[in-house]
Amino acid sequence: EVQLVESGGGLVQPGGSLRLSCSASGFSFRSYVMHWVRQAPGKGLEYVSTIHGDGTNIYYADSVKGRFTISRDNSENTLFLQMSSLRVEDTAVYYCVKDVTGWGAFDYWGQGTLVTVSS
Amino acid sequence: IVLTQSPGTLSLSPGERATLSCRASQTVNNNFLAWYQQKPGQVPRLLIYGAFRRATGIPDRFSGSGSGTDFTLTISRLEAGDFAVYYCQQYGSSPRFSFGPGTKVDIK
Repeated sequence: EVQLVESGGGLVQPGGSLRLSCSASGFSFRSYVMHWVRQAPGKGLEYVSTIHGDGTNIYYADSVKGRFTISRDNSENTLFLQMSSLRVEDTAVYYCVKDVTGWGAFDYWGQGTLVTVSS
Repeated sequence: IVLTQSPGTLSLSPGERATLSCRASQTVNNNFLAWYQQKPGQVPRLLIYGAFRRATGIPDRFSGSGSGTDFTLTISRLEAGDFAVYYCQQYGSSPRFSFGPGTKVDIK
């Protein structure tokens, strides 16, 4: 059974940093593209970032480019999102998501971790 | 690519047919268009990918169609558990991935 468990969320002040982690199990982690997607309270879904299985191809939404860094440790089956220069508008639930190979769709989602940016 | 979904809210009764639209500002390459369902307090669930391919475990009352810039999600007969928000999502052109704003299907 595929499981994705995020951690690392919390309350941080504007301009601060936070590192999210996602522990994956139930599939061959290193073989899959992984993503982060976020959802602000009461709002829709927003794409954040993507990393390919070997870490060579990485993409970011314009809204986070230069501030967020996605990475992965395939030996530990873990996905990361390093967030810096956080803004109030980054407040959201952050989901770790597994890719449907070859289709650019998201088939398994973690339960999410809430990041609140506030003074 | 900017995705626009219509209507914003669809009010229907159980047993009725729901037709949701997703329009892209440019052609979606290879019809890499997916649909998700999200119920209150739950994570999104993949329904359709590749414009018309049903994800694992999705009942056949959900169907996807369309190509190019116009896509449709049809729910043939609404059940109580289908009242939710539905999002379309594209993969391909800049931005690499994007979601539509969602259509809420609620009980009339």
